[in-house]
Amino acid sequence: DGGITQSPKYLFRKEGQNVTLSCEQNLNHDAMYWYRQDPGQGLRLIYYSQIVNDFQKGDIAEGYSVSREKKESFPLTVTSAQKNPTAFYLCASSPRDTYEQYFGPGTRLTVT
Amino acid sequence: AQRVTQPEKLLSVFKGAPVELKCNYSYSGSPELFWYVQYSRQRLQLLLRHISRESIKGFTADLNKGETSFHLKKPFAQEEDSAMYYCALRSGAGSYQLTFGKGTKLSVIP
Repeated sequence: DGGITQSPKYLFRKEGQNVTLSCEQNLNHDAMYWYRQDPGQGLRLIYYSQIVNDFQKGDIAEGYSVSREKKESFPLTVTSAQKNPTAFYLCASSPRDTYEQYFGPGTRLTVT
Repeated sequence: AQRVTQPEKLLSVFKGAPVELKCNYSYSGSPELFWYVQYSRQRLQLLLRHISRESIKGFTADLNKGETSFHLKKPFAQEEDSAMYYCALRSGAGSYQLTFGKGTKLSVIP
């Protein structure tokens, strides 16, 4: 199942704390993405990055931040400004030619 | 703005019965449509894309631009088809973004 990894699988935080979710890929893909998956809501795009040192806001970027310092890595920080951070977070990557997205196993974040 | 609609949250069918998972989209240009599937305890993965016109695991989907639909079909459902299915749209050349529908959970009854 290699290729794209997310860690940790489960994450627990107290309200008011920032937390960073890891996403790494060894597929040499140019683009990377972060989605949030909630029951009955499908996948909603948080941020995406087409190349290193560049990223774009998705539909629900408020309360989140990202960086793309290396092609292989695209960490997501859930800040204390995110009003409803408890969710399942999915990372994906895609090559430039097909745009087919490959997904990681996800991180379930619980904030109490 | 583009939108993908999957009208059924849950679809239950008996094993051996035909399956049709509905997907409608709104987009003014020429979209690229996909079906992704998420089996229990597995990653979300691509099932098929309309431009390849192939059949995967017995599933097919035809893009109907007149009806703006991309329904997923299989003539005979199998128990292993039980999963969450998502329809997704890419808005065109150069676009990296996918817009997903809310998903349909398919349950195949033995």
